[in-house]
Formats: sequence, structure tokens, C-alpha cells
Amino acid sequence: AQSVTQLDSQVPVFEEAPVELRCNYSSSVSVYLFWYVQYPNQGLQLLLKYLSGSTLVKGINGFEAEFNKSQTSFHLRKPSVHISDTAEYFCAVTPQGGSARQLTFGSGTQLTVLP
Amino acid sequence: DADVTQTPRNRITKTGKRIMLECSQTKGHDRMYWYRQDPGLGLRLIYYSFDVKDINKGEISDGYSVSRQAQAKFSLSLESAIPNQTALYFCATRPFGGQGRRISEKLFFGSGTQLSVL
Repeated sequence: AQSVTQLDSQVPVFEEAPVELRCNYSSSVSVYLFWYVQYPNQGLQLLLKYLSGSTLVKGINGFEAEFNKSQTSFHLRKPSVHISDTAEYFCAVTPQGGSARQLTFGSGTQLTVLP
Repeated sequence: DADVTQTPRNRITKTGKRIMLECSQTKGHDRMYWYRQDPGLGLRLIYYSFDVKDINKGEISDGYSVSRQAQAKFSLSLESAIPNQTALYFCATRPFGGQGRRISEKLFFGSGTQLSVL
């Protein structure tokens, strides 16, 4: 079994400032890691994923995340946020070779970008 | 038009009523999933289906049932709704990798159905 902890439920930040959304996971096996974004009144969309290879993963809209196996973390970062980045962000994990039915989501982080 | 469509967008009902939430997709995907989202809890899997004849319980299936009427349609039913089933419900789809090949786990989500049980 695995679990995901998103350490901050809400993150307010001013426009053009950098942001980091934190995600830690627990698993007894190797994992795949994902970040999904949910804009208001929409379903979740995949932002980026880590399957293997380079630990720095780049996603859409200028976001990136770094997989740190020793610290079991997969923090999401953006160097300069825009108002349009206001959304809820979910970290998710599944065992390597596993399937979507084994996907475990974190509780979400609401990012609010202030003018 | 959206690739994954959920109806209705919002529904208010009373305790004990039977409710059906519908999901249809135009992506041609085999896999379909129902999740519920509660504040502070993230998404939890209710049921999933690999094809019309293959339906499986997820983490929190009690109080729910599903029907896969066709490859493109997957309905979620609450036989007798109760207040703690008030939540945001999402349908999602994913293609099958074929021949046991595992593909990246990208799910395609609908816009959700907000259900309130009074």
C-alpha cells in the first residue's frame, strides 16, 4: 500500500513570485508519481509525471517537479506564477508496473495567486 | 465538445432517493473509473471497468453500484442516497496499452457532478 501527503492545504502567493507545492509519499515498492491540476469547475488534468530516468520532470504551463527518492518527495515548482495558475493541485502515486486503479491521490493543495 | 461528459453537473436530492450519475466518452477508451472527491481527502476510487463485461469495486464501493451500458457509457447509481454521499463525483477514462503493455497512467477526467443529499 502507498500513501501521499500534501503538506499544505492552501498556498497563497503573489503574481510573478515563485511557488513550491510539497508532496511526500510512502511506499514499499518503486513508484510512478504524478501531479494533476484542477481548475475551477473543471476535471483534473495531468500536469506532469515521473516514470523513470531524469529526476527533474518538466510539465505544462512552466511547472516542474523533482523526484527525490531518499526523501520520498516529489515537490512541484514554478519560478513565476500567473493569476491563471490559481487552481487545486493533486499529487498522486501508483506502484511501478501498477495501474490506474492503484492510483492514490493526496488531499490537494489550493494555490491562490494574488494580484 | 468535451471528450468525457458527465450529467448532471449539479444535483440535489433527499435521503433515501435513488440517483443515477451518467458518464459518456468519445475518446474510445476501454478503461473507465468513478471517483468521489471530498474536501481535504482528495479523490477516492469507487468503481472501475476495463470493458463492458469487466466491472470491479474500488476503495469505497459500499452504497454504490455501476453499469457499463456500452464502451462509451458508465453510470454510477446510489440506490438509497444518504447525506454522507454528498460529494463531487468524477468520471475518468484511460486507454488500454495492449498486450499487457503498461502505459503511463494518464487519466482523462470529466468536469464532475456535484451531488448534495439532504
